Amino acid sequence: EVQLVESGGGLVETGGSLRLSCSPSGFNFTTYTMIWARQAPGKGLEWVSSISGRGSYIFYADSVKGRFTISRDNARKSLYLQMNSLRAEDTAMYYCARVPPTSTCFDFWGQGTLVTVSS
Amino acid sequence: QSVLTQPPSVSGAPGERVTISCTGSSSNIGANYRVHWYQHLPGAAPKLLIYDDFQRPSGVPDRFSASKSGTSASLAITGLQPEDEAHYYCQSHDKTLSVTVVFGGGTRLTVL
Repeated sequence: EVQLVESGGGLVETGGSLRLSCSPSGFNFTTYTMIWARQAPGKGLEWVSSISGRGSYIFYADSVKGRFTISRDNARKSLYLQMNSLRAEDTAMYYCARVPPTSTCFDFWGQGTLVTVSS
Repeated sequence: QSVLTQPPSVSGAPGERVTISCTGSSSNIGANYRVHWYQHLPGAAPKLLIYDDFQRPSGVPDRFSASKSGTSASLAITGLQPEDEAHYYCQSHDKTLSVTVVFGGGTRLTVL
């Protein structure tokens, strides 16, 4: 069974940093592109960043470019999102999700981890 | 403002049929990028409902269907059930320089 479990969320002050983790199971992690997406309170889903299976291709949304860094450790089967210079508008539930090889959809999602940025 | 436009809300009685539109442009849906649909219940993980314009993942009832034409896509739900009450999002890609993945703003479905 495919599972994705996010962790690392919490309360942080404006300008602070946080590192999110995503622990996958039930599939060959190395062969899948992974993404982070988020949902701010009362808002819709927003894609944040993508990373290919071997980490060769990385993309970011404009809203986080230069502040967030996506990475992965295939040996440890983990996906990360390093978030620096956090702003109030980064407050959201953060989800990791998997991209299947033959599509551009996100076929499995985690339950999310909540990040709250307070001033 | 989302790149893909969805109605904020739709509603229907149990057993009825509802549709949710997703309007894009020539740089996303109109550029022949695939459209995908997700169901999101409060407190739960988003769930893939439709992928590659009209394909249903295993386990998704055939009450859910989707189509695409030009710069728009549409999700249809027939035989509405109370458990269908959720937010629904369309998703695609965009070839604009600084944007890759795009979501619609989401539609809240209320089962009356």
